[in-house]
Amino acid sequence: LAKTTQPISMDSYEGQEVNITCSHNNIATNDYITWYQQFPSQGPRFIIQGYKTKVTNEVASLFIPADRKSSTLSLPRVSLSDTAVYYCLVGDSSASKIIFGSGTRLSIRP
Amino acid sequence: IAGITQAPTSQILAAGRRMTLRCTQDMRHNAMYWYRQDLGLGLRLIHYSNTAGTTGKGEVPDGYSVSRANTDDFPLTLASAVPSQTSVYFCASSDSGQNTDTQYFGPGTRLTVL
Repeated sequence: LAKTTQPISMDSYEGQEVNITCSHNNIATNDYITWYQQFPSQGPRFIIQGYKTKVTNEVASLFIPADRKSSTLSLPRVSLSDTAVYYCLVGDSSASKIIFGSGTRLSIRP
Repeated sequence: IAGITQAPTSQILAAGRRMTLRCTQDMRHNAMYWYRQDLGLGLRLIHYSNTAGTTGKGEVPDGYSVSRANTDDFPLTLASAVPSQTSVYFCASSDSGQNTDTQYFGPGTRLTVL
């Protein structure tokens, strides 16, 4: 199983770019990298997914180096509403191997 | 479209009692999942189902059972609740059981076992 390691918490300010890095040294060839966001008292919500290089959507960008042993979620110009826990997931096609980990608690200040 | 609904929203339960947490989705997704989230921790997969009629064990299945009689419903049963099962329970669904699929989560059930 590909275990992930993320910082426990991060702080930033409104308008800044925030980068959250996830380490997954044992990622397998077929594994995808997926990030979820969770607000207090809510279930997680999908943000972005990628396999290699760079993926961008209306919410975030995901940077994956060639060796795929890590990935970085980039949130441009964060606002207070981006305060949440962010989870990095790495896994193959087997549902039994989905592991969320502890996530990164991001706090945005005015 | 409701997405995923869970019931009850919260429950206080005496140890030793039986409890079923309900989960219903209206997206016709094949796969469904149950997670528990303990205070300050991430989600841990309890059981999953890739399609109606099949179920599988996740990371922490002990003390829980599930059934998948149809596509829409995926109840989670605690046969004899214990205090260590105090947690927030999230149900989720995805189009299939692939890791590449987006999982859609319900609002959660907060369960306290005394």
